Amino acid sequence: RKEVEQDPGPFNVPEGATVAFNCTYSNSASQSFFWYRQDCRKEPKLLMSVYSSGNEDGRFTAQLNRASQYISLLIRDSKLSDSATYLCVVNRDSSASKIIFGSGTRLSIRP
Amino acid sequence: DTEVTQTPKHLVMGMTNKKSLKCEQHMGHRAMYWYKQKAKKPPELMFVYSYEKLSINESVPSRFSPECPNSSLLNLHLHALQPEDSALYLCASSHPYVGEVHNEQFFGPGTRLTVL
Repeated sequence: RKEVEQDPGPFNVPEGATVAFNCTYSNSASQSFFWYRQDCRKEPKLLMSVYSSGNEDGRFTAQLNRASQYISLLIRDSKLSDSATYLCVVNRDSSASKIIFGSGTRLSIRP
Repeated sequence: DTEVTQTPKHLVMGMTNKKSLKCEQHMGHRAMYWYKQKAKKPPELMFVYSYEKLSINESVPSRFSPECPNSSLLNLHLHALQPEDSALYLCASSHPYVGEVHNEQFFGPGTRLTVL
């Protein structure tokens, strides 16, 4: 089983739609959780950290369920500029800043 | 607008060449990282430096040699690479992990390396 698993997609949705991504992780000792987005041939950019209480940033909402070892990202009112690969990221080792990337979920927003 | 810079943007080298990749950050971070990313795959960790000391080497072949001259700079020295080493090499930085504090990593734009 992979340490961080995501649905690879691709998700192809119309502009204005709501889309949700899920991610599961296997290490119950993980403490830090993030969503990054990566555009084609660019570097990953931090979208948001995921906190235990859940957090929202504009159209983006992230949730963490420690009991189920599950992280989600919800994008509301999707824009064409949201088209990218979304990477779920989990830390592996609390002493060494080691993070593990999921394989990413491709999102394509159509006009 | 990234605060982590990398040079060069592109590099083409032969298998007998020696070259270096450079990374610089001005965010006061004391942890720096090298990642390798192949097409359509997520980044894979290579090395971690914490307070300018190598703390993790993910069993990377010795033809890759990292160096951290100071808290802002990170180099990756390349020698006798193979064509399969062609990839995007990403540098990142963060605050070192401390307990519950989130240590978000910020990435540079990467160096796209081609080994002929």
